[in-house]
Amino acid sequence: GAGVSQSPSNKVTEKGKDVELRCDPISGHTALYWYRQSLGQGLEFLIYFQGNSAPDKSGLPSDRFSAERTGGSVSTLTIQRTQQEDSAVYLCASSLGRKETQYFGPGTRLLVL
Amino acid sequence: AQSVTQLGSHVSVSEGALVLLRCNYSSSVPPYLFWYVQYPNQGLQLLLKYTSAATLVKGINGFEAEFKKSETSFHLTKPSAHMSDAAEYFCAVRSNTGNQFYFGTGTSLTVIP
Repeated sequence: GAGVSQSPSNKVTEKGKDVELRCDPISGHTALYWYRQSLGQGLEFLIYFQGNSAPDKSGLPSDRFSAERTGGSVSTLTIQRTQQEDSAVYLCASSLGRKETQYFGPGTRLLVL
Repeated sequence: AQSVTQLGSHVSVSEGALVLLRCNYSSSVPPYLFWYVQYPNQGLQLLLKYTSAATLVKGINGFEAEFKKSETSFHLTKPSAHMSDAAEYFCAVRSNTGNQFYFGTGTSLTVIP
């Protein structure tokens, strides 16, 4: 079946602009995660959604970052007033539940000029 | 709090040689441990996971890892490296109570023909 998909695959934006990154999880997966992967760094947890529960936003680095998940499926990560340090690969993962294996999307490579 | 340390950001082995990628974790409670592989321009793919069953875990592509509580380690091994094993490998930990996965900074494996 289809895996996790993310769009766009690449995004170049100017400093100060807002960007939206999209994640389509595997159908039926109730858990969804966003991570940031900076050059030479590991994955940094950003936010976690589980079903209809309030999301765990503890990893969001600043109030410029927000995410929502509509209808328990598609998720959008929004970065407002982008900064050059926001340049990274943003990865989305989904799983059947909190304790289940995560399946990752190919990521969105964001470059802020 | 949980954390993961991967010793060696770059490892080179000859084709056919033993692969050993090191991972040490810190966790206040028995953790779930994972190894993921990331091929160039692709998302992360689960290699194997430890969830408190057998301490020796076998994964895909001939990889295996052994959970050693006394050493707080979960090193990844493969008896004989193949050219196709060249990739970035990430160790991750998650407590059995939390939502977050904590990833190491990754180890880039090069296989020399």
